[in-house]
Amino acid sequence: EDQVTQSPEALRLQEGESSSLNCSYTVSGLRGLFWYRQDPGKGPEFLFTLYSAGEEKEKERLKATLTKKESFLHITAPKPEDSATYLCAVQAVGGSNYKLTFGKGTLLTVNP
Amino acid sequence: NAGVTQTPKFQVLKTGQSMTLQCAQDMNHNSMYWYRQDPGMGLRLIYYSASEGTTDKGEVPNGYNVSRLNKREFSLRLESAAPSQTSVYFCASSRTGENTIYFGEGSWLTVV
Repeated sequence: EDQVTQSPEALRLQEGESSSLNCSYTVSGLRGLFWYRQDPGKGPEFLFTLYSAGEEKEKERLKATLTKKESFLHITAPKPEDSATYLCAVQAVGGSNYKLTFGKGTLLTVNP
Repeated sequence: NAGVTQTPKFQVLKTGQSMTLQCAQDMNHNSMYWYRQDPGMGLRLIYYSASEGTTDKGEVPNGYNVSRLNKREFSLRLESAAPSQTSVYFCASSRTGENTIYFGEGSWLTVV
């Protein structure tokens, strides 16, 4: 069974204080790993897809990296508007093309 | 560009009542999904439709039915609502051959 574990559950940072969120996963074979951002009262907003170990993707202050067992979402010099819940999900090779297994998310709060 | 639109946004039902959540997407996507999100559980797939005219069960289909009305619309029906179906429901869509799933804004359902 595919599993995704995100840590920490909650993270509080000061503006400008860089940090990382972790997503550990177990799948029979990884088709893709996804990062989403979710604001309160909103739907998840797509950020990145990573497909193979060693791959990295960046968007503004966010950088996602992937190894064979985990993914990190690095946040550099965060701002209060980066406050949100960040969700990680995996899609397995060989299963349904349409099934994503989600983690429970990390709630990030950035204080001014 | 509206993306994925869900109605209603909020609904309170009594146990045993029925209702339908409506979803429409304007991105010409072939695949559509219904997820539910519960505290501490992460997002879980209820049903999906790989293309117009097809539907398949996801992880938690019991108590729900779906209809893929046409390429744009995918509805979720609760025939006899139960308190365990109190949740936030998200409709989503994706393009065939692409892994990225795009979500709507959510529908908050309370069953009393």
